[in-house]
Amino acid sequence: DTAVSQTPKYLVTQMGNDKSIKCEQNLGHDTMYWYKQDSKKFLKIMFSYNNKELIINETVPNRFSPKSPDKAHLNLHINSLELGDSAVYFCASSPPLAVGVHEQYFGPGTRLTVT
Amino acid sequence: QKEVEQNSGPLSVPEGAIASLNCTYSDRGSQSFFWYRQYSGKSPELIMSIYSNGDKEDGRFTAQLNKASQYVSLLIRDSQPSDSATYLCAVNDEGAQKLVFGQGTRLTINP
Repeated sequence: DTAVSQTPKYLVTQMGNDKSIKCEQNLGHDTMYWYKQDSKKFLKIMFSYNNKELIINETVPNRFSPKSPDKAHLNLHINSLELGDSAVYFCASSPPLAVGVHEQYFGPGTRLTVT
Repeated sequence: QKEVEQNSGPLSVPEGAIASLNCTYSDRGSQSFFWYRQYSGKSPELIMSIYSNGDKEDGRFTAQLNKASQYVSLLIRDSQPSDSATYLCAVNDEGAQKLVFGQGTRLTINP
């Protein structure tokens, strides 16, 4: 009965490879997000989708491409992985967008290590 | 660029004392404010939300908001070693429909 789940939990790969991270939420939320947390623990938004539509696309390299097949799923594909991509990636979801309310609930995270 | 500032710590507090965590934000238009707790190796967990000036209490936690001073704080009463974690302040950027997070304050409760 996990609310927001991500797979895989750990991902170790070599530079230049392509990898995907999957996220699913069973909370009935309309909005989903991808965050990157670096080694200094700074949590920065990358993308958000509302009901399968891209809402936020922060300054993220084109190598990162999100995809939302339905409002319960948001996947992240990364091409040509670089050392600097090593971080923990969190998926999150929030209830339907309403003025002033943005409680977000996070998945367990995917620790990506690029060697 | 809208900013949220926190003292990164570490903040060390003896068990049983009150831990006080502070956060300032730059966007006067922000209406929603959140505190997340993150244990090492785990994901952020929402512990408090506050939308109006004043205090909001939930168990041992009290969130305080002062929009005029652009200041939000979290008080933890009767601190326990299990409260040791990084606490993230998040502020809603109304225009961009996203949360902006501070860098987090690492809190250690000493038995």
